[in-house]
Amino acid sequence: DAGVTQSPTHLIKTRGQQVTLRCSPKSGHDTVSWYQQALGQGPQFIFQYYEEEERQRGNFPDRFSGHQFPNYSSELNVNALLLGDSALYLCASSSGRGKYYGYTFGSGTRLTVV
Amino acid sequence: DAKTTQPPSMDCAEGRAANLPCNHSTISGNEYVYWYRQIHSQGPQYIIHGLKNNETNEMASLIITEDRKSSTLILPHATLRDTAVYYCIDRTGANNLFFGTGTRLTVIP
Repeated sequence: DAGVTQSPTHLIKTRGQQVTLRCSPKSGHDTVSWYQQALGQGPQFIFQYYEEEERQRGNFPDRFSGHQFPNYSSELNVNALLLGDSALYLCASSSGRGKYYGYTFGSGTRLTVV
Repeated sequence: DAKTTQPPSMDCAEGRAANLPCNHSTISGNEYVYWYRQIHSQGPQYIIHGLKNNETNEMASLIITEDRKSSTLILPHATLRDTAVYYCIDRTGANNLFFGTGTRLTVIP
């Protein structure tokens, strides 16, 4: 049973560029959340997608946008990259049905902005 | 922002029980306590969660105080592979997890 799959695993971009990160949720999960983890910090919530809509958003600027597809996979887009966007980007999937299900995280995409 | 407080680091001898404390003094009645861990270069891994009763699964035990203001995660027989950062999280009732900086547990041979 495949868990959460993220691609690419590593990425180097130049300041000002745009980047798209991808996530395939665990089988049976329909909700995808994105987190940013700076070095030495805990993951910080960016936003969550359910039924192809952004359901909740953390304290991140509009440069961060996302999308969820009918097959529940998701993309995270970041425009006008800043050096401070360098981080590990984690995708977590869960089931939108019921309450208090554990999240399953992918191994992340390491983004470096130079 | 995270509302839990944890010690930044702990050591534990291999084979001994690791007891990781967490204070969640502002937790409300319907908020669960979740524990996750993150092994180096991996995403966080769910360990256990509870509301007010003690919980046990194949990975760990969770002891929650009667007033629900604190909890302890217990790894009964720590191994080297349990070396990780452990996060205690009180889910806010919304749909996201607020991670703090966690406790870095080092299991020593």
